[in-house]
Amino acid sequence: AQSVTQPDIHITVSEGASLELRCNYSYGATPYLFWYVQSPGQGLQLLLKYFSGDTLVQGIKGFEAEFKRSQSSFNLRKPSVHWSDAAEYFCAVGARGAGSYQLTFGKGTKLSVIP
Amino acid sequence: DAEITQSPRHKITETGRQVTLACHQTWNHNNMFWYRQDLGHGLRLIHYSYGVQDTNKGEVSDGYSVSRSNTEDLPLTLESAASSQTSVYFCASSGSPGLRSTDTQYFGPGTRLTVL
Repeated sequence: AQSVTQPDIHITVSEGASLELRCNYSYGATPYLFWYVQSPGQGLQLLLKYFSGDTLVQGIKGFEAEFKRSQSSFNLRKPSVHWSDAAEYFCAVGARGAGSYQLTFGKGTKLSVIP
Repeated sequence: DAEITQSPRHKITETGRQVTLACHQTWNHNNMFWYRQDLGHGLRLIHYSYGVQDTNKGEVSDGYSVSRSNTEDLPLTLESAASSQTSVYFCASSGSPGLRSTDTQYFGPGTRLTVL
């Protein structure tokens, strides 16, 4: 069965600093990979996704992620963090089924931003 | 605009009662999903459906059931609510007809359920 590990439960960065959130996955085939963001009391919003092709994926809000098969990783990066980026971030792997895919999520990384 | 809605947004119930959480999407998506979110566990899949009359069990399906009688709705029923089912529940949908199976899952705003 597939699994996702987000090693960092909570990260604090200063506004304007760079950010990298780690994600490692376990899946027997080529994975579908996702990053979602959740603001307090809100649902989940997709930041970016990887299905195939270019291993560097660009997303919304200035985020990017790189798929590294050899390391089973899909780390999320942003060059300069804004205070509005404070939220919880979830990495997920999609296991392909008959009609679509089911998501398995990591436990999340909470991001705090110091002004 | 097309959207996915959940109702109620907040629910308090008692142990042993039957509870139904509603999920409605207006995208005409084929696929619908129910997840629960608990502190320290992230989101876990409860049930999912790839079309009308199709339902499948997810990772944490015990104590829950779903039925899909039309494209727009996938209600989640807790047959006999337990305190362990206190959680935030999210519905998601994906897959408009004609699109690839790699379509994005869009999430609803969530329902916070408390079982006393």
